[in-house]
Amino acid sequence: EIVLTQSPGTLSLSPGERATLSCRASQSVTGNYLAWYQQKPGQAPRLLIYGASSRATGIPNRFSGSGSGTDFTLTISRLEPEDFAVFYCQQYGSSPPEYTFGQGTKLEIK
Amino acid sequence: QVQLVQSGAEVKKPGASVKVSCKASGYTFTGYYMHWVRQAPGQGLEWMGRINPDSGGTNYAQKFQGRVTMTRDTSISTAYMELSSLRSDDTAVYYCSRGSGWSFDYWGQGTLVTVSS
Repeated sequence: EIVLTQSPGTLSLSPGERATLSCRASQSVTGNYLAWYQQKPGQAPRLLIYGASSRATGIPNRFSGSGSGTDFTLTISRLEPEDFAVFYCQQYGSSPPEYTFGQGTKLEIK
Repeated sequence: QVQLVQSGAEVKKPGASVKVSCKASGYTFTGYYMHWVRQAPGQGLEWMGRINPDSGGTNYAQKFQGRVTMTRDTSISTAYMELSSLRSDDTAVYYCSRGSGWSFDYWGQGTLVTVSS
């Protein structure tokens, strides 16, 4: 099973700043099947990025994903007040099918 | 618009079973896998398994093998997740989510299952 490790655990930034979140896999992620989600308190997760770098429908272009193999990054270019939340990365592996999530990064207002 | 609407909160005793439903609308139900993901209080996300609504075929995470059963009723576009032999550490919010490629693009609102004696 591939383990995803996210860092930092908590990131304290101000609106307008740039956020860089990391997701490292214990083995290479097949086909770059890596996604990012945002979750606010009391809400279901929302898909932000799929295939490591493709934005989901309706996601603002200040959100971008990059990386390949074992190292992936979610960047928020200029933080808006509504961006503060917990972010999870997720990967898909086959044989047998499995989907695993990182432990999350909390992005909080400084 | 795509919507996944789940059944309401449940309180169960240890050893009991719970069955959560997820009614889909706004898309072709049989065209997409339905997944179940849970989140214990204050914790992260955990994938439980998926069902192919077209064939009924399932894949379960190893952790839940033997305890979880996922089914569907295509006539009413509804997926179900049943978890048996409940323990206190099964207390969590259970989400259904539509599979899109290798990610999850739409989510239900979540169903809180509380296991307590």
